[in-house]
Amino acid sequence: EVQLLESGGGLVQPGGYLRLSCAASGFTFTSSAMNWVRQAPGKGLEWVSSISGSGGSSNYADSVKGRFTISRDNSKNTVYLQMDSLRAEDTATYYCAKERGANFRTAFDDWGPGALVTVSS
Amino acid sequence: DIQMTQSPSSLSASVGDTVTITCRASQGISNYLAWFQQKPGKAPKSLIFAAATLQNGVPSRFGGSGSGTDFTLTIFNLQPEDFATYYCQQYYSSPYTFGQGTNLEIK
Repeated sequence: EVQLLESGGGLVQPGGYLRLSCAASGFTFTSSAMNWVRQAPGKGLEWVSSISGSGGSSNYADSVKGRFTISRDNSKNTVYLQMDSLRAEDTATYYCAKERGANFRTAFDDWGPGALVTVSS
Repeated sequence: DIQMTQSPSSLSASVGDTVTITCRASQGISNYLAWFQQKPGKAPKSLIFAAATLQNGVPSRFGGSGSGTDFTLTIFNLQPEDFATYYCQQYYSSPYTFGQGTNLEIK
């Protein structure tokens, strides 16, 4: 059974930083590109970033480019989202989602339960 | 960026009804279109990919169609557990954009 579990969320001040982790199990980790998707309170879904199965390629939404960094440790079956220079508008639940293939454009299948990030003074 | 527009934004229906949600892309995306279901306080659940292919375990009362710019999600014989918010998403090109969502409510 595929399991994805996010951790590292919490309350942080504007301008601060946070690192989210997503621990994966139940599938061959390197065979899946991984994504982060966020949802602000009461709002819709917003794709944030993706990384290929090898970790060699990544993409970012314009709203986070230059502030967030996605990475993965294939020896630990974990994907990370380093979030720097956080703003109030980054407040959201952050979901980890796996793709059906190692490269991009293969469609999401499984999602984690999410981690709440609150940016406030 | 590719814009995804869903309609309607909200929809009321009864158990046993058939409903259709549409999604339009601002440019052609072939069949790189997915549908998700989300219930309050829960993570999204993947329903359909490649416009018409059901994810494992998704009931056959869910159906998807379309190609290019216009897509539909049809739910036949609505069940109580189907009342939720539905999102479409294009994964043709980065950024992977979502529609604004359709809230399906019980009439």
